[in-house]
Amino acid sequence: DAGVIQSPRHEVTEMGQEVTLRCKPISGHDYLFWYRQTMMRGLELLIYFNNNVPIDDSGMPEDRFSAKMPNASFSTLKIQPSEPRDSAVYFCASSLDKTGTDTQYFGPGTRLTVL
Amino acid sequence: ILNVEQSPQSLHVQEGDSTNFTCSFPSSNFYALHWYRWETAKSPEALFVMTLNGDEKKKGRISATLNTKEGYSYLYIKGSQPEDSATYLCASLRGGRRALTFGSGTRLQVQP
Repeated sequence: DAGVIQSPRHEVTEMGQEVTLRCKPISGHDYLFWYRQTMMRGLELLIYFNNNVPIDDSGMPEDRFSAKMPNASFSTLKIQPSEPRDSAVYFCASSLDKTGTDTQYFGPGTRLTVL
Repeated sequence: ILNVEQSPQSLHVQEGDSTNFTCSFPSSNFYALHWYRWETAKSPEALFVMTLNGDEKKKGRISATLNTKEGYSYLYIKGSQPEDSATYLCASLRGGRRALTFGSGTRLQVQP
């Protein structure tokens, strides 16, 4: 298996632009998580999906952030409009998680820089 | 404890030293405790998932213990090697949720 795939790996954009981050989970995993990693706050959960349905989006910073999972093999995290404080590494992770204890497998991350 | 806390924040040891770090987590409504290893410029990689009080897991020179009643877990590395240099994250899973709450990590540097 290729593991969790994220694209792009690096994104540099200007303030006010729309940014879309993409994630392909491991096939067969029915949980998908979006995390953001910053120096100040560490690794924090933004949103997670179960069977393509958003379950908990309480970590999404504000209305500028939105996430979708149109099917079991694809999810997007969109920031519109982007701001410099959104600069961070965004990780996607997936898990099988039938028991609530299964390991989460992380993608390589997308490093976002907003100028 | 409401958050997941890890100590120390960073650690420098010599090759061959044994070391350990601590993860403290909310003991109420506990479900599972995860340990991850995170190398610079890579993604976090799972080490252990622990659920039972008194549980002990081992993977090569790395082992972990769990105390769910008092809300702490220890990670031990025996005979540290330079390739063990990484940030070690713990994350707590509480009942009813599937979302992990991560600590800020312990950054380990092993000098050859």
